[in-house]
Amino acid sequence: EAQVTQNPRYLITVTGKKLTVTCSQNMNHEYMSWYRQDPGLGLRQIYYSMNVEVTDKGDVPEGYKVSRKEKRNFPLILESPSPNQTSLYFCASSLSGTYMNTEAFFGQGTRLTVV
Amino acid sequence: AQKVTQAQTEISVVEKEDVTLDCVYETRDTTYYLFWYKQPPSGELVFLIRRNSFDEQNEISGRYSWNFQKSTSSFNFTITASQVVDSAVYFCALRGSSGSARQLTFGSGTQLTVLP
Repeated sequence: EAQVTQNPRYLITVTGKKLTVTCSQNMNHEYMSWYRQDPGLGLRQIYYSMNVEVTDKGDVPEGYKVSRKEKRNFPLILESPSPNQTSLYFCASSLSGTYMNTEAFFGQGTRLTVV
Repeated sequence: AQKVTQAQTEISVVEKEDVTLDCVYETRDTTYYLFWYKQPPSGELVFLIRRNSFDEQNEISGRYSWNFQKSTSSFNFTITASQVVDSAVYFCALRGSSGSARQLTFGSGTQLTVLP
């Protein structure tokens, strides 16, 4: 089954404790991205990757890191989480980083709480 | 910078009523792509439709229809004979074709509640 898999689905952590949210897709998609969803703000892009070893900042990159060492994986790293990073996070992938007419497939979401 | 505006934060209707969700966008690109996604209470994001800027034909899929009007930069979504299962947050999104506009930009979403 074609899917984007995020882990964990739920996470409660403390301020300053490094964490990684994993994202994996099995569709051989080139383009992957991370979003955060906050009430009243919709989804905002954090980082995106056009292909392996190619990443770039989205609209709200501060406090986050990403890497794209393999085509299927695109982990999101919070080196020192803070309470304002409490949010619902989505990973997404789409077929091409060049041709933008393909829809994005989303993971199930990760609800992160930083206390 | 591109932008998507969904002015309706919340809409509440009674089952079987028709409802239209508004979406207005801004972009400098001449080629762009518009999307609608549904987020049910379970939280996942479900793709509904994609529309290219050079295809202004409206589309109907069952009870769902979409009205794309380039002249007013709008891409509205209508649900006919709404059902309780239509209750969800609906997002309109835009992807341009050049530079940073290629990222998918979402509106803030419209919470639709369909009452029995």
